Formats: sequence, C-alpha cells, structure tokens
Amino acid sequence: DQQVKQNSPSLSVQEGRISILNCDYTNSMFDYFLWYKKYPAEGPTFLISISSIKDKNEDGRFTVFLNKSAKHLSLHIVPSQPGDSAVYFCAASEGSGGSNYKLTFGKGTLLTVNP
Amino acid sequence: NAGVTQTPKFQVLKTGQSMTLQCAQDMNHEYMSWYRQDPGMGLRLIHYSVGAGITDQGEVPNGYNVSRSTTEDFPLRLLSAAPSQTSVYFCASSYSDLGWVTDTQYFGPGTRLTVL
Repeated sequence: DQQVKQNSPSLSVQEGRISILNCDYTNSMFDYFLWYKKYPAEGPTFLISISSIKDKNEDGRFTVFLNKSAKHLSLHIVPSQPGDSAVYFCAASEGSGGSNYKLTFGKGTLLTVNP
Repeated sequence: NAGVTQTPKFQVLKTGQSMTLQCAQDMNHEYMSWYRQDPGMGLRLIHYSVGAGITDQGEVPNGYNVSRSTTEDFPLRLLSAAPSQTSVYFCASSYSDLGWVTDTQYFGPGTRLTVL
C-alpha cells in the first residue's frame, strides 16, 4: 500500500508559466514533507521541505503548500524554467526533527518545461 | 569535499553471486541510508544507520546486509543475488544540528545493478 502518492507520472508546461506538482499521503503519522529533484544518472537533490505545523513554505521560485486535513501537498514553481525539467519526488517522514534518514517516497513526476 | 561516493557505477551479476556496494561520505555525517529505485517506483528504504555500530532495517531489507564500522563507510552486501534485486541503488547521508535532523539528505550518484 503506497503511503505517498504522486498520481501524475508526467507534467509538461511552457517556460515562464507555473508548474504545480501534487502529492497525497495516507499515513497520518507523517509530519515532515520534502521535495527532491532528480536528473537522469544522478542522485536526488533536496529542494524544499515543510513541517506539519506550517501550511506554506517558500524558497525563491519554489513554494510548497500543505493541507493536512486533505493529506495533500503541492509544489509550485514560478516561473518555470527549462532547467527545472527533471523528476520530482515527494517524500515524507515521521517524528520530530524530520528523521530524514527514513523517508517514504512517492513514485515521482517527470516535469518537462518547454522553451 | 567529495560528498557521497558510490562504487561501482554499474555492475552485472549472475543469480546467486554475492557482492558489496560501497558507499562513503567525507562530511562526518552521523546518518546514512540505502535506497533502491525500480522503474516507475519511488525510492524505497533498504537499511539505515544512525551512527557507527548502529544499523536498522527499512522497508525492503530482505536479501541485504549492512554494517557501519566507521562514520565514513556504509557498505551494502547482497548475499545471494536474485533478478528481483535488479535496480538502481542510492546511498545517502545527513546530519543533525543540535539534535534536529536537518533537511538535507545528500545522495550519491547511484549504482545500477543488473542480476541475470
């Protein structure tokens, strides 16, 4: 049973527009959420995170929104750039401090930003 | 700093063979983890370690052993390779800051393993 779900395997957007990547989770014990970006033949790199005590976290062009009641989070990228084209993984962990060495990942969404 | 390094980058094994995937980090991180990524799947946690001498199982530990004799190294051993272990393996490390485990988990470039 998948505890972290990314239901869109792929997303294509135009350069300059907004990209919205979605993630749902089922485990109510998750209290820390992270987004990772992955290019082909490389390891994932950390992008942005959010604690369950917040509903929004921003870092430059990237904003993550958390709706705890719906067990849903989303990553907004504005404006999207061709270099953002990659696979984006949503991940979650339980416990204070994030315990980010024990992450549960979604299957990923391939974002393609067209020039 | 080299960060997290993994060797080899590619490996082909026959069913029943054993091998060790190497992982090293030079950032003095306490926490290290092994994940596998299969096509169309997210990363799944195999084993993790919260410090030298301390390891524990993740979501998919069967068929794998780990040990952590030093802070720097966290090798993953396949005891008797099976085709179901064909995957890309990622090692990762992270640290805590005043008891709070930080966001950033640094991943290695991965080892692509094929078991025939």
